[in-house]
Amino acid sequence: QKEVEQNSGPLSVPEGAIASLNCTYSDRGSQSFFWYRQYSGKSPELIMFIYSNGDKEDGRFTAQLNKASQYVSLLIRDSQPSDSATYLCAVNGGGGATNKLIFGTGTLLAVQP
Amino acid sequence: ETGVTQTPRHLVMGMTNKKSLKCEQHLGHNAMYWYKQSAKKPLELMFVYSLEERVENNSVPSRFSPECPNSSHLFLHLHTLQPEDSALYLCASSQELQGLYGYTFGSGTRLTVV
Repeated sequence: QKEVEQNSGPLSVPEGAIASLNCTYSDRGSQSFFWYRQYSGKSPELIMFIYSNGDKEDGRFTAQLNKASQYVSLLIRDSQPSDSATYLCAVNGGGGATNKLIFGTGTLLAVQP
Repeated sequence: ETGVTQTPRHLVMGMTNKKSLKCEQHLGHNAMYWYKQSAKKPLELMFVYSLEERVENNSVPSRFSPECPNSSHLFLHLHTLQPEDSALYLCASSQELQGLYGYTFGSGTRLTVV
């Protein structure tokens, strides 16, 4: 079982719609959860982090965490073509054998004008 | 300078050349990382350093040789590379190894081996 799983996509949404990106993780001891955005040929950029169960909102972005289900998601409201990128979910190791931040393979989001 | 700085931004090298990639972080972080990302592929973790000590080496070929002289600087020495080594090489840093506060990435070095 992969430690952090994401659907590779592409996820295609029309401009102005809500994009929903999902991620599951295997280590129940994980404490920190991150979403990175990576434009083609560029480096990953941290856009959201969440530590507690529930929702965290920042502008058009909302991160949602459910530790019981080992599930973290990112909602992007009023999607814009400039949001088109690969979104990486990252989860910190629970302090056991996995002693680092684990990245998913990313979901490619395409926002259609 | 702020954040994580990588040089050069672009590098073209022949298979018999020797070159080095440089990474410098100005964040006071204690851990540094080298990642490789081939075209349209996921991140591949290559090396992990904590307080200048290498703590992880993910079966990387010996033609890649990392060096961490202090907690702010990280190098990746390259020699006799192959065309399949062409990729984006990313440096990252974090406050501590477990990534509780996330990683900060540099802009990367786009390497082309000819």
